[in-house]
Amino acid sequence: QKEVEQNSGPLSVPEGAIASLNCTYSDRGSQSFFWYRQYSGKSPELIMFIYSNGDKEDGRFTAQLNKASQYVSLLIRDSQPSDSATYLCAVIGNQFYFGTGTSLTVIP
Amino acid sequence: SQTIHQWPATLVQPVGSPLSLECTVEGTSNPNLYWYRQAAGRGLQLLFYSVGIGQISSEVPQNLSASRPQDRQFILSSKKLLLSDSGFYLCAWSGAGTFYNEQFFGPGTRLTVL
Repeated sequence: QKEVEQNSGPLSVPEGAIASLNCTYSDRGSQSFFWYRQYSGKSPELIMFIYSNGDKEDGRFTAQLNKASQYVSLLIRDSQPSDSATYLCAVIGNQFYFGTGTSLTVIP
Repeated sequence: SQTIHQWPATLVQPVGSPLSLECTVEGTSNPNLYWYRQAAGRGLQLLFYSVGIGQISSEVPQNLSASRPQDRQFILSSKKLLLSDSGFYLCAWSGAGTFYNEQFFGPGTRLTVL
């Protein structure tokens, strides 16, 4: 079992819709959770972090954490074509683990 | 504000040649520093991390090495490159102390070994 798992996609949503990205992790001791956005050919860019169970909102982005179920998700509201990218989930437990990413395409 | 630099941006090297990639961070002191490799279509693989000058931890046995000669400088090296060393090399930093802080990435170096 991988430490962090994401659906590789591709995930396609129409412009203006909500995009939902999911991530599960195996280390129950994990304490910090991050979402990075990576455009093709570019380095990852931090967009959200969450430490506590529940929701955290920042503009059009909402991160959701459920430690009991060991999953973290990212919702993107009012999706825009500029949101088209690969989204990486990262978890810090004993080490810093990255998922392989979910490719999102927002269709105009 | 903090800034992280990497160079070169792209590099094409023959098999068996040496490698030196450099990363520098500005605007922070005593950062934790990291080297990652991202192979085509694959996830990020942590190669090395450092909590201070001269302190290097290796995550994956390989023909690469890392050094931290100064507080905000991190260097990735190889004596002889392999074809499998091709990839996107990313340097990252996080705040001093705990490893539970977010990491910030440099622009990366795209290495092609022929």
